[in-house]
Amino acid sequence: KQEVTQIPAALSVPEGENLVLNCSFTDSAIYNLQWFRQDPGKGLTSLLLIQSSQREQTSGRLNASLDKSSGRSTLYIAASQPGDSATYLCAVGGGSQGNLIFGKGTKLSVKP
Amino acid sequence: SQTIHQWPATLVQPVGSPLSLECTVEGTSNPNLYWYRQAAGRGLQLLFYSVGIGQISSEVPQNLSASRPQDRQFILSSKKLLLSDSGFYLCAWSWASGLYNEQFFGPGTRLTVL
Repeated sequence: KQEVTQIPAALSVPEGENLVLNCSFTDSAIYNLQWFRQDPGKGLTSLLLIQSSQREQTSGRLNASLDKSSGRSTLYIAASQPGDSATYLCAVGGGSQGNLIFGKGTKLSVKP
Repeated sequence: SQTIHQWPATLVQPVGSPLSLECTVEGTSNPNLYWYRQAAGRGLQLLFYSVGIGQISSEVPQNLSASRPQDRQFILSSKKLLLSDSGFYLCAWSWASGLYNEQFFGPGTRLTVL
C-alpha cells in the first residue's frame, strides 16, 4: 500500500529565504507526482506535475524534482515571500483509476 | 478555460439527516471526476471516482454514495449522516485522455455534523 510522508509538518522562515519541502513515498511504481498549495479553508491549487519519466519541473520561483528510485520528491521555493504562506501537499498518482494518494502536508509560514 | 464549482460552501447538519453535495465542471467534456475528503489531522482520502455517466467506483466502504447523472455533474449523498462524516469535501476533475493526468480541485464544501 502506497504511503506518502511529508517532512517537516510545519516550517517557519524569514522572507527572502530559499527553502526545500520534502516528500517521500514507499512504492516507486508511480505514474506521476503532483504538488499542491492549500490556503486555509480553501481548495487545492495545482503547482507542478511531474510525470514518472521526468526528473524535474519548474514554474517561476518553484522547482520540483523527482527521484523515483529513492522514493523522493522535493519542492524548492526561491526567495520566499509572505504570500507563499500556505500548506503544501504532495500527491502521487498510482491508483487504479488515476486517483492521487496524498501526504499530510507541510504548513509553511513566511515571516515579513 | 475550465472551471469547477462546488456547493454549498459550508453546511451544518444534524446527525441522521440526509446530505447532498454537488460538483459541476465547465469547459470540458467527459472528464474523470473525483470526490475526496479531508478530515482534521488526516490527509486527503479518495472517496469516489467516475470515468463516465453512471459509472461510479468507491475506494473505501462508508456511509456515503455518489452519482453522476450528467457528464459534468458529480453528486455526493448520504441518507443518514454520522458525526464521523464531518470534514472538508473536495471535488476534482482530470482530462479523460489517459488516467494519470493533472487533477484540478474545486473550492470545497465544509461539512459539520452535530
